[in-house]
Amino acid sequence: QKEVEQNSGPLSVPEGAIASLNCTYSDRVSQSFFWYRQYSGKSPELIMSIYSNGDKEDGRFTAQLNKASQYVSLLIRDSQPSDSATYLCAVIKTSYDKVIFGPGTSLSVIP
Amino acid sequence: DVKVTQSSRYLVKRTGEKVFLECVQDMDHENMFWYRQDPGLGLRLIYFSYDVKMKEKGDIPEGYSVSREKKERFSLILESASTNQTSMYLCASSLRGLREQYFGPGTRLTVT
Repeated sequence: QKEVEQNSGPLSVPEGAIASLNCTYSDRVSQSFFWYRQYSGKSPELIMSIYSNGDKEDGRFTAQLNKASQYVSLLIRDSQPSDSATYLCAVIKTSYDKVIFGPGTSLSVIP
Repeated sequence: DVKVTQSSRYLVKRTGEKVFLECVQDMDHENMFWYRQDPGLGLRLIYFSYDVKMKEKGDIPEGYSVSREKKERFSLILESASTNQTSMYLCASSLRGLREQYFGPGTRLTVT
């Protein structure tokens, strides 16, 4: 079992819809969780971080964390074509641990 | 804003050459990282550093070495470049602890 898993996609949603991206992790001691967006040919860009159970909202983005079920998700409301990118889930277990990245989910928002 | 810069965006080297990739961050971050990213393989950690003169091997350190003489600068060295080291190389930095990473723009290295 991989440490961090994501559906590779591609996930296609129409413009204006809600895009839902999911990530599961294997190690229960994981403490910090991040979502990065990566446009083709560009470097990853941090869009959300979440550290405790529940929801965290930032504009059109909502991160959801459920430590008991070991999953973290990212919701993008009112999806725009400019949201089309690969989204990487990342997890840190403890201080001084390296970040574990998932393989990424490709999102395509259709105008 | 955090700024992470890398010495080159594109680099072409010949097999057997010694290659230096440099990364500089301006936010006084303790942690610095080098990754390579290849289609279908995702981000793979090569080396990381938690402090000046400290280094730790990542998942794929073979064929690479690193140097961190100053807090803001982290260098990746390919001792003898090979064609299988053709890749996108990404540098990142973060504050100490369970903190988010900030990436540089990347260096696309081609070894011929």
